[in-house]
Amino acid sequence: GAGVSQSPSNKVTEKGKDVELRCDPISGHTALYWYRQSLGQGLEFLIYFQGNSAPDKSGLPSDRFSAERTGGSVSTLTIQRTQQEDSAVYLCASSLLFSPQNTEAFFGQGTRLTVV
Amino acid sequence: GQQVMQIPQYQHVQEGEDFTTYCNSSTTLSNIQWYKQRPGGHPVFLIQLVKSGEVKKQKRLTFQFGEAKKNSSLHITATQTTDVGTYFCAGHRTSGTYKYIFGTGTRLKVLA
Repeated sequence: GAGVSQSPSNKVTEKGKDVELRCDPISGHTALYWYRQSLGQGLEFLIYFQGNSAPDKSGLPSDRFSAERTGGSVSTLTIQRTQQEDSAVYLCASSLLFSPQNTEAFFGQGTRLTVV
Repeated sequence: GQQVMQIPQYQHVQEGEDFTTYCNSSTTLSNIQWYKQRPGGHPVFLIQLVKSGEVKKQKRLTFQFGEAKKNSSLHITATQTTDVGTYFCAGHRTSGTYKYIFGTGTRLKVLA
């Protein structure tokens, strides 16, 4: 596709349920990032995938959060046993392989998660 | 861990006034980028700075990267209502994983 695609755009779930958020990066982009943004707040880093390297999971807030990237393309962020504090917009971004000249991150429109 | 702070957190200006946001990192950065997020939108890339002391301009926007590569600024001359949004800086570390560390953001409101 022309840009980073995320689905669903909106998700309302009951507390305690599991949710899966999907990200389709721009074709050919080897780096993929997940961020979380609460209302009116900044971008909280969650996880980073780069090619075949082990992902940087240092931003995941708890063991209820996990992410996979299959075949170096599509990524899924899973939140188990959702809590109300998980409510936020989850943003995915992708970029080309790191180079001082070419590391612009392209963001998807985000998934707005509401836990009720 | 590495932190990137931005000041101010909020800024209200009258249309036509200038605006500056400052970005400060606790560690040296290999490069820094700036993004703009319109209300209800997602961050959109504005520019990247790589060299120590680098200055780049985009029309009314001027971007600077500090000599020590630990701070940066974005200056908007004669703001317009279209400048409304949140401006984020994002830095890459000089070693380790190359994830973007985003600043806390500056939310700009322009009053007509």
